[in-house]
Amino acid sequence: EAQVTQNPRYLITVTGKKLTVTCSQNMNHEYMSWYRQDPGLGLRQIYYSMNVEVTDKGDVPEGYKVSRKEKRNFPLILESPSPNQTSLYFCASSSFSVNTGELFFGEGSRLTVL
Amino acid sequence: EDKVVQSPLSLVVHEGDTVTLNCSYEVTNFRSLLWYKQEKKAPTFLFMLTSSGIEKKSGRLSSILDKKELFSILNITATQTGDSAVYLCAVRGQNFVFGPGTRLSVLP
Repeated sequence: EAQVTQNPRYLITVTGKKLTVTCSQNMNHEYMSWYRQDPGLGLRQIYYSMNVEVTDKGDVPEGYKVSRKEKRNFPLILESPSPNQTSLYFCASSSFSVNTGELFFGEGSRLTVL
Repeated sequence: EDKVVQSPLSLVVHEGDTVTLNCSYEVTNFRSLLWYKQEKKAPTFLFMLTSSGIEKKSGRLSSILDKKELFSILNITATQTGDSAVYLCAVRGQNFVFGPGTRLSVLP
């Protein structure tokens, strides 16, 4: 089954404790992206990647890091989480080989930083 | 800068009404326009439009794209309470750009 898998789905952590949210897709997609969603603010892009070893900042990259060492994985790293990073996070992927590919979403990761 | 605007931002209707949601965009190297429905979870895909004037239809939902005027509409006929959700429009150029969404509430 074609899917985007995020882990953990739910996490409560404390300020300053480094954490990684993993994202993996099994569709051989070139494009992957991270979004955060907060009430009233819609989907805001954090980082995206066009292919292996190619990453770019989105609209709200501050406080986040990403890496794309393998095509299927695109982890989101919070080096020193702060309460303003409490949010619902979505990973998504798409094919860029065919111009008309849709964007597939993971189920989301709800993060709370105390 | 690529931009997607949706209107209205919020809409309240009664069951059986027909609604039209709007999406206008400015994007470099347009490839496609996508509509998603989001309830209390991840967005679910509705339509992808790439060509002007060709209507995509799925049950009571339909959508059409006007590439000359740079907009799309999503129509929902005979609305039901289950249609209550946020409807997201996204445009794909080099990157995917999302609009703020339209929150639709369908009252019984």
